[in-house]
Amino acid sequence: SAVISQKPSRDICQRGTSLTIQCQVDSQVTMMFWYRQQPGQSLTLIATANQGSEATYESGFVIDKFPISRPNLTFSTLTVSNMSPEDSSIYLCSVEGRGRGGNEQFFGPGTRLTVL
Amino acid sequence: KNEVEQSPQNLTAQEGEFITINCSYSVGISALHWLQQHPGGGIVSLFMLSSGKKKHGRLIATINIQEKHSSLHITASHPRDSAVYICAVPAGGSQGNLIFGKGTKLSVKP
Repeated sequence: SAVISQKPSRDICQRGTSLTIQCQVDSQVTMMFWYRQQPGQSLTLIATANQGSEATYESGFVIDKFPISRPNLTFSTLTVSNMSPEDSSIYLCSVEGRGRGGNEQFFGPGTRLTVL
Repeated sequence: KNEVEQSPQNLTAQEGEFITINCSYSVGISALHWLQQHPGGGIVSLFMLSSGKKKHGRLIATINIQEKHSSLHITASHPRDSAVYICAVPAGGSQGNLIFGKGTKLSVKP
């Protein structure tokens, strides 16, 4: 299994500022995934972060708005840039690892972001 | 693109009741995930299954690949089971690119 921690757990930010979210995994993983869950909505994949290469962004998400770092196999950051109230969401990082029943998806506790 | 439908959207049960949550998807998949999201937002993976049935404690997940349908059952439900239960299937492309259902909000009353 994989234990994932995220910082901060929650934050309230002003419009126009940026916030960097950290994701730490207790084991080495090849790929880390960043998701967003807007209020009342399903989770949506923002990007896949590979160590040593640029992140791969899903349709509707761009690097300038959500820059990602992946300096090693256990850590990644997601920055939400030039925030607006529409960025208020829960941001989760996730990895794939071995669980009790085979490969499973493990999720961090999430970062609850409110933009005023 | 796969579409995931969950039912019911909301479910209230009395402690001890047997609970069933359903998930249907439109395109054939290799595996399906059941996840549990707590009120604070954290998500726990309950099952990943590609065929048949899996059981862990009071939770049972089944999948019928031919009918593109999966169910999550909770036996002897307890108030601590109150959470949002989400099913998710691969969207293709990125390995972690899952398409998530909108979730079933379960409330178990003592």
